[in-house]
Amino acid sequence: EDQVTQSPEALRLQEGESSSLNCSYTVSGLRGLFWYRQDPGKGPEFLFTLYSAGEEKEKERLKATLTKKESFLHITAPKPEDSATYLCALRRGSTLGRLYFGRGTQLTVWP
Amino acid sequence: EAGVAQSPRYKIIEKRQSVAFWCNPISGHATLYWYQQILGQGPKLLIQFQNNGVVDDSQLPKDRFSAERLKGVDSTLKIQPAKLEDSAVYLCASSLVLGKEPTASTSTHEQYFGPGTRLTVT
Repeated sequence: EDQVTQSPEALRLQEGESSSLNCSYTVSGLRGLFWYRQDPGKGPEFLFTLYSAGEEKEKERLKATLTKKESFLHITAPKPEDSATYLCALRRGSTLGRLYFGRGTQLTVWP
Repeated sequence: EAGVAQSPRYKIIEKRQSVAFWCNPISGHATLYWYQQILGQGPKLLIQFQNNGVVDDSQLPKDRFSAERLKGVDSTLKIQPAKLEDSAVYLCASSLVLGKEPTASTSTHEQYFGPGTRLTVT
């Protein structure tokens, strides 16, 4: 049973074309919503943690937001170097640190 | 600050053989995790240690997988015997602490990942 669903599976953007990635979840007792970036052949790289609805965090061209049912990763004016797979994960209150990951969105930004 | 180290980076074995992976977490991180990432999927937790004790191994196939963290620092993950479906990337991650409820101002529960070991079972 998928608890974390990411969409779209793949996204192609032209350089400078802003867009958003979606992460929806169905669990209760959320104890953190995490965003990671993963480049081919590498481990996931931590980007953001969000804990409560309404929270927002920004880093360069990325901004993550959280509601009670989903999180968005907004990418403003992307560059080719933003191309990667973006993973969303959540931590539930009933578990002891385990992260539940979605399948990821593969982002390609072409010049 | 050095990141999470893993070795080897790549391994090819035949089914029914055994294999071991090594992980050295970030210095001072008490919690260590092993994840399995099958191509096209997100990582799935296999086992979690707090210092040298197992906290969660509910998803570890214990008939063939084993892991240890004897001195509360380095860890090894072993598969014996390997099956074709074990082909995946094995990721090690570490975090600072476990047990305290996180708040927006703390970063102690963030997990930092190593580069992974790509295992191919033929």
